[in-house]
Amino acid sequence: GAVVSQHPSRVICKSGTSVKIECRSLDFQATTMFWYRQFPKQSLMLMATSNEGSKATYEQGVEKDKFLINHASLTLSTLTVTSAHPEDSSFYICSANRGQEDQPQHFGDGTRLSIL
Amino acid sequence: AQTVTQSQPEMSVQEAETVTLSCTYDTSESDYYLFWYKQPPSRQMILVIRQEAYKQQNATENRFSVNFQKAAKSFSLKISDSQLGDAAMYFCAYKKNNDMRFGAGTRLTVKP
Repeated sequence: GAVVSQHPSRVICKSGTSVKIECRSLDFQATTMFWYRQFPKQSLMLMATSNEGSKATYEQGVEKDKFLINHASLTLSTLTVTSAHPEDSSFYICSANRGQEDQPQHFGDGTRLSIL
Repeated sequence: AQTVTQSQPEMSVQEAETVTLSCTYDTSESDYYLFWYKQPPSRQMILVIRQEAYKQQNATENRFSVNFQKAAKSFSLKISDSQLGDAAMYFCAYKKNNDMRFGAGTRLTVKP
């Protein structure tokens, strides 16, 4: 079964709205989670690494104030797209690993965000 | 920075035949991990197979196997006895510590 749950799976909202996406590790504690963005027919682009109890590490070119990440517990990380605009429309995927380097990342099912 | 290259944007295979997807990567590390993920139309990322760089033996998972050439930094995926359900995007990934990088992907079509 799924070990990482991502919610919601689909969001459609008006421009200017802030949208929160949740990523939960279901049966393990994840001190680190990852947020990716995927454009149609393209690969996953790492946006940021979410660290429990500390600030997220953002990849170059990703706006910190636009994409707010909170990792307040060992099983939950949230990504908030603030004041979303049509260009923010995309597929967002989170992932987590069980803490051991040799373990693959477990992915959520993704969130399709559409800004009208 | 580590980069992962998949030089085949699209591949096609006849059902029951064998297909090989290519992947090369660039790294100065000696210990790392390599993965192949499958992404069907549902967009869910599904782990297909993984390889530890310190292991010389190629990983195998049922119909899926890899050809890992560490010196050449090559990590190809072979799918044997292809099935219609194998049709998907396939991503090669490199992982060192918590840093995972993906290739651009190869779209595999399986013809009945």
